[in-house]
Amino acid sequence: SQQGEEDPQALSIQEGENATMNCSYKTSINNLQWYRQNSGRGLVHLILIRSNEREKHSGRLRVTLDTSKKSSSLLITASRAADTASYFCATDVGANSKLTFGKGITLSVRP
Amino acid sequence: EAQVTQNPRYLITVTGKKLTVTCSQNMNHEYMSWYRQDPGLGLRQIYYSMNVEVTDKGDVPEGYKVSRKEKRNFPLILESPSPNQTSLYFCASSRDREYQPQHFGDGTRLSIL
Repeated sequence: SQQGEEDPQALSIQEGENATMNCSYKTSINNLQWYRQNSGRGLVHLILIRSNEREKHSGRLRVTLDTSKKSSSLLITASRAADTASYFCATDVGANSKLTFGKGITLSVRP
Repeated sequence: EAQVTQNPRYLITVTGKKLTVTCSQNMNHEYMSWYRQDPGLGLRQIYYSMNVEVTDKGDVPEGYKVSRKEKRNFPLILESPSPNQTSLYFCASSRDREYQPQHFGDGTRLSIL
């Protein structure tokens, strides 16, 4: 069963704009992670936020976590054409640290 | 360079012909995992391994086998491939249970005719 569900499924923005992507999940988590996948390539880890953290930053990325609402958001500021990719949230659940991925969000950044 | 290497990258084969997809990591990671990625279904975990000689089923293990005889290698075996195993496969590794960001290989695209 899908633990993380991303929203929207697809997002198209102009270069320089901010992109906000959301992820909702169903059960308690150890941590939540965001990954990027460029076309035809493997996933690349972007950022990890633990269940006791509320916000994290990494360069142009900002991730928030609201455990009461079981949701997370990924904000990419000042987007670039190179940010065009699919983005996945993944939840780390349980004792075996099983990562469960959502179906992904396709982000297109127009030059 | 830290990396996860999968081979082959592409394979077209026929139903029933046993095949192995190799995965090797050079980061001394304890945790390794196999996923398949299908349109509309996202990534689903096939098998994972917490350490040498320790493997366990993920969400979709049917039709697959794995082994972990050495820390660096985690091959995925399809004993009798079928067309529904046509997919894009990824191997991933991470340092251990407490440090979870996973490093992914570039993927293996399998087509079973």
